[in-house]
Amino acid sequence: EDKVVQSPLSLVVHEGDTVTLNCSYEVTNFRSLLWYKQEKKAPTFLFMLTSSGIEKKSGRLSSILDKKELSSILNITATQTGDSAIYLCAVGDTGNQFYFGTGTSLTVIP
Amino acid sequence: EAGVAQSPRYKIIEKRQSVAFWCNPISGHATLYWYQQILGQGPKLLIQFQNNGVVDDSQLPKDRFSAERLKGVDSTLKIQPAKLEDSAVYLCASSFPHGTSGLPSYNEQFFGPGTRLTVL
Repeated sequence: EDKVVQSPLSLVVHEGDTVTLNCSYEVTNFRSLLWYKQEKKAPTFLFMLTSSGIEKKSGRLSSILDKKELSSILNITATQTGDSAIYLCAVGDTGNQFYFGTGTSLTVIP
Repeated sequence: EAGVAQSPRYKIIEKRQSVAFWCNPISGHATLYWYQQILGQGPKLLIQFQNNGVVDDSQLPKDRFSAERLKGVDSTLKIQPAKLEDSAVYLCASSFPHGTSGLPSYNEQFFGPGTRLTVL
């Protein structure tokens, strides 16, 4: 059965800390891996990764895919309280089916 | 660019009642998805449409859930009758597939604000 596992399930850090969120997957016919940020509303798109070893960066956030290890990490540097959210990892297959992990809940304390 | 619209935003019903949700995707997006997100879990795909055709509905509980996208634009998801375990946020997403060889290719999904359903 295809699945996506995220770790840790939850994380509490202080402002300014750097965090690393993990996503591992077992999905047949992998096409892409996506990271989303979910606050109180719907998930908002962060990154889409399709190639191994190429880092995607947006401000303080960055992500990289390792197809050999079937995993990805999402890094957030110099965290701010506005980064508090659930971070979702999703994997899409060649049939345009998507599998979501349960998410990592990040809380940034001032 | 207008986003994905959903209504209602909140709904409270009693078990065994019926409920319907509506979604209007981003203009031009051929692919539409309905997800169920139970508290503390990631979204679970219920059904995926490509224009007005169903691509995947393998996880849709067809004895009580139904969905349609008759004109290939907006879509409705219905639950009849509702059970307590249907309490969740129902998310609609859309994407604009493109690819070679006539096959759809994954593109970024845009999510609507969701409908929070509470079944009492």
